[in-house]
Amino acid sequence: EAQVTQNPRYLITVTGKKLTVTCSQNMNHEYMSWYRQDPGLGLRQIYYSMNVEVTDKGDVPEGYKVSRKEKRNFPLILESPSPNQTSLYFCASTRWQGAPGTEAFFGQGTRLTVV
Amino acid sequence: KQEVTQIPAALSVPEGENLVLNCSFTDSAIYNLQWFRQDPGKGLTSLLLIQSSQREQTSGRLNASLDKSSGRSTLYIAASQPGDSATYLCAVPTNAGGTSYGKLTFGQGTILTVHP
Repeated sequence: EAQVTQNPRYLITVTGKKLTVTCSQNMNHEYMSWYRQDPGLGLRQIYYSMNVEVTDKGDVPEGYKVSRKEKRNFPLILESPSPNQTSLYFCASTRWQGAPGTEAFFGQGTRLTVV
Repeated sequence: KQEVTQIPAALSVPEGENLVLNCSFTDSAIYNLQWFRQDPGKGLTSLLLIQSSQREQTSGRLNASLDKSSGRSTLYIAASQPGDSATYLCAVPTNAGGTSYGKLTFGQGTILTVHP
């Protein structure tokens, strides 16, 4: 079954404590990205990766890091979380190279609360 | 810059009604449009992907239409059920230099409530 898997689903942490949200896809997709969803602001892209070792900033990258060492994995790192990063986070993947117009698959979401 | 608007923002209907959700986009040079469903606090479930060359796409009680030239898509839900209650989002890929990037621009969503 085609899947994007995020972990953890729920996370409560304290300001400044580094955390990583993992994302893995089993579809051999080139393109992966992270979004955050906030009331009134909708879904906004944080970072994306077009392939292994190729990453770039999205619309709201401040305070986040990513890495793409393997094609299937795209972790989101918060080096020093702050309360304004409290949000619902989604990982997504899509086949990109040579295949415009393909379907995007999303993970189940990670509800992060920073106190 | 692509902007996506969904109307109405919220909709409440009795069970059994047929309903239409609207999505409009400002840049008509899209490769596809995707409709998603989101249950409260949950993930995004892809409902339908309609390619730019298509005018309609159907899945069960759902039918999505696309009119690129006017920048509009509609999601038609037939014989609505309480289990259809959710937020419905439409999204289009960002175009840059004629290449379809993986970034999606989302509408704000329509919150649908179907009451028994």
